[in-house]
Amino acid sequence: GENVEQHPSTLSVQEGDSAVIKCTYSDSASNYFPWYKQELGKGPQLIIDIRSNVGEKKDQRIAVTLNKTAKHFSLHITETQPEDSAVYFCAASKGSGAGSYQLTFGKGTKLSVIP
Amino acid sequence: KAGVTQTPRYLIKTRGQQVTLSCSPISGHRSVSWYQQTPGQGLQFLFEYFSETQRNKGNFPGRFSGRQFSNSRSEMNVSTLELGDSALYLCASSSGAEGNPFFGSGTRLTVV
Repeated sequence: GENVEQHPSTLSVQEGDSAVIKCTYSDSASNYFPWYKQELGKGPQLIIDIRSNVGEKKDQRIAVTLNKTAKHFSLHITETQPEDSAVYFCAASKGSGAGSYQLTFGKGTKLSVIP
Repeated sequence: KAGVTQTPRYLIKTRGQQVTLSCSPISGHRSVSWYQQTPGQGLQFLFEYFSETQRNKGNFPGRFSGRQFSNSRSEMNVSTLELGDSALYLCASSSGAEGNPFFGSGTRLTVV
């Protein structure tokens, strides 16, 4: 089955700096790669996603890049703010055209933004 | 538009008992998936339902089961509870087309 590795497990940055989280996946058939932010006591919140026909996607301060050949994808957060502090999860799935998702998650990265 | 609603938020059960958790998806969403989150194993896929049919199943024992109703609401059941079943159980819904999965806040199950 699919295996997703996520690094680093913890990340501390100064407010205003950039943060990068990297993930690798094992199944070349995976074609959907979402990123989730989880705050204490809440469920994972989708922040951005990318599909295998796209190499990069950006939404304001957040961007995701995908390298299908190397089977890795990364989350980039620029101009970090204290409210970005949370646990971030990457995931991979062989989403079908019928919208069937079986997400395999990385172990998570605890991001701390220091004011 | 209301998000994914899971009830109850917290539950304490005794070993050997069974439990039923409920999930109401976002209006219009027909796909519901369940995940187990623990500190040791992280987030793991349990199963997915679409139009009352199970489409995918993860690697969990048969004690874990689920169902989906005609209004897309879903329930999952765990029988003969074990201490290791203590976890946050998360439900996610998607439109079933190319819609992205959105998660609820989960049900925190503690088995004592």
